[in-house]
Amino acid sequence: AQKVTQAQTEISVVEKEDVTLDCVYETRDTTYYLFWYKQPPSGELVFLIRRNSFDEQNEISGRYSWNFQKSTSSFNFTITASQVVDSAVYFCALSEVYTNAGKSTFGDGTTLTVKP
Amino acid sequence: GAVVSQHPSWVICKSGTSVKIECRSLDFQATTMFWYRQFPKQSLMLMATSNEGSKATYEQGVEKDKFLINHASLTLSTLTVTSAHPEDSSFYICSARLAAQGTDTQYFGPGTRLTVL
Repeated sequence: AQKVTQAQTEISVVEKEDVTLDCVYETRDTTYYLFWYKQPPSGELVFLIRRNSFDEQNEISGRYSWNFQKSTSSFNFTITASQVVDSAVYFCALSEVYTNAGKSTFGDGTTLTVKP
Repeated sequence: GAVVSQHPSWVICKSGTSVKIECRSLDFQATTMFWYRQFPKQSLMLMATSNEGSKATYEQGVEKDKFLINHASLTLSTLTVTSAHPEDSSFYICSARLAAQGTDTQYFGPGTRLTVL
């Protein structure tokens, strides 16, 4: 069965600090996708990134970067120079393409609070 | 990018009434749509998988007679909460699966906040 663990329930940082959100996953499939979503207080899920299991290349998008390590089954998310607007709940999710027909399993989320 | 809409965005109803929530993929066809429920300060939990033209597949513990799902077309799935009760109050989110041209991903709707009085 697929499983996603976000060990950090809450993180609080001061603006301009860097912060890393951890995500560890479990799957038996060789083909799967990993996602990060942001959920601001409004509730709408904001898609941040999708990474497929065959692409271990790290990615950077502005202040956001992601580190995918298949060897440790981790897909960590780093925000550089955090801003107050980054305050939200962040979810990591896993989708197995074949075994679970694309169903996504979400971690419990990490609540990030960035203080001015 | 692909867009998924939900209607209504929020609804308040009396206990015992039924509420229908629509999920539409606006610019692509989705053979599969998923329905999730999220209670306050909790994660998203998959309720059911909706496939166009066939019966939905429900996750363990989800009452199929209470949460009726219809996927009548490749762009529309509906979730009807029948005889709603206060414990059904939650945030309901749908997603549509796009699997084409070497990609396989889900696009989420903005969610529907249901409050049952």
